[in-house]
Amino acid sequence: NAGVMQNPRHLVRRRGQEARLRCSPMKGHSHVYWYRQLPEEGLKFMVYLQKENIIDESGMPKERFSAEFPKEGPSILRIQQVVRGDSAAYFCASSPFQETQYFGPGTRLLVL
Amino acid sequence: DQQVKQNSPSLRVQEGRISILNCDYTNSMFDYFLWYKKYPAEGPTFLISISSIKDKNEDGRFTVFLNKSAKHLSLHIVPSQPGDSAVYFCAATVLDQGAQKLVFGQGTRLTINP
Repeated sequence: NAGVMQNPRHLVRRRGQEARLRCSPMKGHSHVYWYRQLPEEGLKFMVYLQKENIIDESGMPKERFSAEFPKEGPSILRIQQVVRGDSAAYFCASSPFQETQYFGPGTRLLVL
Repeated sequence: DQQVKQNSPSLRVQEGRISILNCDYTNSMFDYFLWYKKYPAEGPTFLISISSIKDKNEDGRFTVFLNKSAKHLSLHIVPSQPGDSAVYFCAATVLDQGAQKLVFGQGTRLTINP
């Protein structure tokens, strides 16, 4: 049973470009969470999704950020018009309902 | 508002001794607590958890203690091994919400000296 997969592992973008981060949950897991870790800080919750539904996006910035988890394919976290402050590690976690979350290896986004 | 706090950014322990990592929280609604371990360039790995109705949970070398009245939990690792060197995150959540969003502490970097 493969773990949570994220790609790319590293992503470099110039200011104003778009970043797309992908997350494939563990087999059998229908719940996906995205977290962001800024340097020297803990992980901060961004958004919680089930298949085709955003359940809680209270941690996501209101502008430029969006997330989806389509019926087929991975969950996508999309950041439009990136700024330097978006540079961080973005982690995806998956779980069955109300059980332990398992994390992917993260995508490290660097905005130049 | 930092609801989960790990006040020690780093900790050094001799191999074979006990490592004690501490965590404080402010939200009395949290009813489930977890510890994750993180190596550089990897995602957090789940270690051990505890429900608020318990005060201790043990799994091999790892034991988590919860003191609800003090809003404090700790992770004990004994005996400590060099492979335990990593960043340890304490996390908490409220189980009865639809979203199981975890609230993390800032992390403690544990270094085990051989």
